[in-house]
Amino acid sequence: GDSVTQMEGPVTLSEEAFLTINCTYTATGYPSLFWYVQYPGEGLQLLLKATKADDKGSNKGFEATYRKETTSFHLEKGSVQVSDSAVYFCALSDRSSNYKLTFGKGTLLTVNP
Amino acid sequence: DTGVSQDPRHKITKRGQNVTFRCDPISEHNRLYWYRQTLGQGPEFLTYFQNEAQLEKSRLLSDRFSAERPKGSFSTLEIQRTEQGDSAMYLCASSLLGGEKLFFGSGTQLSVL
Repeated sequence: GDSVTQMEGPVTLSEEAFLTINCTYTATGYPSLFWYVQYPGEGLQLLLKATKADDKGSNKGFEATYRKETTSFHLEKGSVQVSDSAVYFCALSDRSSNYKLTFGKGTLLTVNP
Repeated sequence: DTGVSQDPRHKITKRGQNVTFRCDPISEHNRLYWYRQTLGQGPEFLTYFQNEAQLEKSRLLSDRFSAERPKGSFSTLEIQRTEQGDSAMYLCASSLLGGEKLFFGSGTQLSVL
């Protein structure tokens, strides 16, 4: 079945540092790929998505590129802020699975001033 | 767009008791999903509805779990004879038919003592 493996956390960075959170996937079809973010006490929010190979999703300074050859969708941000502290989930969905999301375990990011 | 609402936010119960959670999706959304999230894990799919029809159930959904979506609006998730292993965050999400973007509620945190 489909699965998502993402970088173990927690990740602790100083403000303005560069962020990478690795994500790789296994899927039988041609999935869409997502990053969701969960701020403390809140529900999951879609951060960005990419629907086909070589697509780049971007939002709020975060970027991720759909790499089919390496089955990866790594999340990057050039300069993190304290407000980026949250749990980040990589996920995939496929039309054949009725768009059910399959999530990775999540990576806790803490950004210190 | 008032978002996806879940009630209650927190529920503490004793082992063996029955509990029921409610989810109110975004009003025009046809699809409604239930997920369970345990500490340190990503959300895991439980079941989903298209309008009032329950179209898929995960093997995670034991016989003690039942979900309904009467009239295709709000949904309830009931757990009978709760066990300590049922302690988790129960998340609801909704989407438009054929839509890839899921909108999540803030979840119901269940603690079984």
